[in-house]
Amino acid sequence: DTAVSQTPKYLVTQMGNDKSIKCEQNLGHDTMYWYKQDSKKFLKIMFSYNNKELIINETVPNRFSPKSPDKAHLNLHINSLELGDSAVYFCASSQSGLSTDTQYFGPGTRLTVL
Amino acid sequence: AQSVAQPEDQVNVAEGNPLTVKCTYSVSGNPYLFWYVQYPNRGLQFLLKYITGDNLVKGSYGFEAEFNKSQTSFHLKKPSALVSDSALYFCAVKTNTNAGKSTFGDGTTLTVKP
Repeated sequence: DTAVSQTPKYLVTQMGNDKSIKCEQNLGHDTMYWYKQDSKKFLKIMFSYNNKELIINETVPNRFSPKSPDKAHLNLHINSLELGDSAVYFCASSQSGLSTDTQYFGPGTRLTVL
Repeated sequence: AQSVAQPEDQVNVAEGNPLTVKCTYSVSGNPYLFWYVQYPNRGLQFLLKYITGDNLVKGSYGFEAEFNKSQTSFHLKKPSALVSDSALYFCAVKTNTNAGKSTFGDGTTLTVKP
């Protein structure tokens, strides 16, 4: 009964391919996030959804497109993958998206673009 | 704009000694401050947060942090370090503006030696 789960855990692919990462939370939270952690372990927010509505959209290439079919799921689709997309991608969720809320993170998806 | 600084990339302490991991922040308005820990190949786990009230906040695994408004700091402390505390620690800040976006520090690697 993992709180925030992501699939796949590892993803190795060629440049130019399109891939998706899936995230699900069973905490009943309203808000979900995608973060990118680079090779230096720096963590940057990419997107945030509240009740299926996009509320944070950082400066991210438009090759990255999040999709939230319902409030328990937030998927990340990446088109035309580039070498620089190699990173660990973390999904997270919080109760309601309030600034006081704690975020709960998934285990991460390690994407390697060759 | 909000920002977080963790001035030390690495902190080394001997088991049984007290530890401090430093964090300073810059925001407009009232800050909400968080500490998360990341063990190797895992997602981030919440340790503690300051929202309002008592400046000394106690959290998981015996950690605590002190909010100091005049010094704009939120240092993480533990009276007696364990080898199992060795991990990457992130400080994060949010405010009521900015759509509840978290800004993370660059992380501090804590190594506790037996």
